[in-house]
Amino acid sequence: DAGVTQSPTHLIKTRGQQVTLRCSPKSGHDTVSWYQQALGQGPQFIFQYYEEEERQRGNFPDRFSGHQFPNYSSELNVNALLLGDSALYLCASSTTGNSGNTIYFGEGSWLTVV
Amino acid sequence: EDQVTQSPEALRLQEGESSSLNCSYTVSGLRGLFWYRQDPGKGPEFLFTLYSAGEEKEKERLKATLTKKESFLHITAPKPEDSATYLCAVRNGATNKLIFGTGTLLAVQP
Repeated sequence: DAGVTQSPTHLIKTRGQQVTLRCSPKSGHDTVSWYQQALGQGPQFIFQYYEEEERQRGNFPDRFSGHQFPNYSSELNVNALLLGDSALYLCASSTTGNSGNTIYFGEGSWLTVV
Repeated sequence: EDQVTQSPEALRLQEGESSSLNCSYTVSGLRGLFWYRQDPGKGPEFLFTLYSAGEEKEKERLKATLTKKESFLHITAPKPEDSATYLCAVRNGATNKLIFGTGTLLAVQP
């Protein structure tokens, strides 16, 4: 049983560029949440997708957007990249709008903006 | 405002020296307190979910407990492979968002 898978694992972008990160949830899970984790900090909630709609959003600007597909996989898009966007981006999967007993994370995508 | 505070920020133990990590929280309508282990450069690994005061869960050398205001992660006779950052998070019952603390960096020396 595959867990939460994310791609790419590492990438380097230039300021002003755009990036797309991808996530496939654990089998049987239908809800995907995205988090940003800066070095030495805990993960910060970006947004959550359930039934192909954004259900909740954290304190992140509109440059951060996402999408969920019918197979429950998800994408995180960040436009007009800033140096401060450099971080580990984590995808979490769970069941039924994040109400389940377990919430699993992928290994993350390391984004470096130069 | 929902908030999670973990202490200590860092902890160094000798192999076999038991200790506890603390997670204090305030949240609107707690719908679960989660503990994760995170190795450097990796995603958080799920350990436990606790729901109500008095609840306890165990896994190998780890035991998590919950009160109305805090949770403890007890580590009994730790081994070097227990070295990691331990993250605590609470789920807001209205939004189902997870709010994380900044973690406790545990180093167990042989």
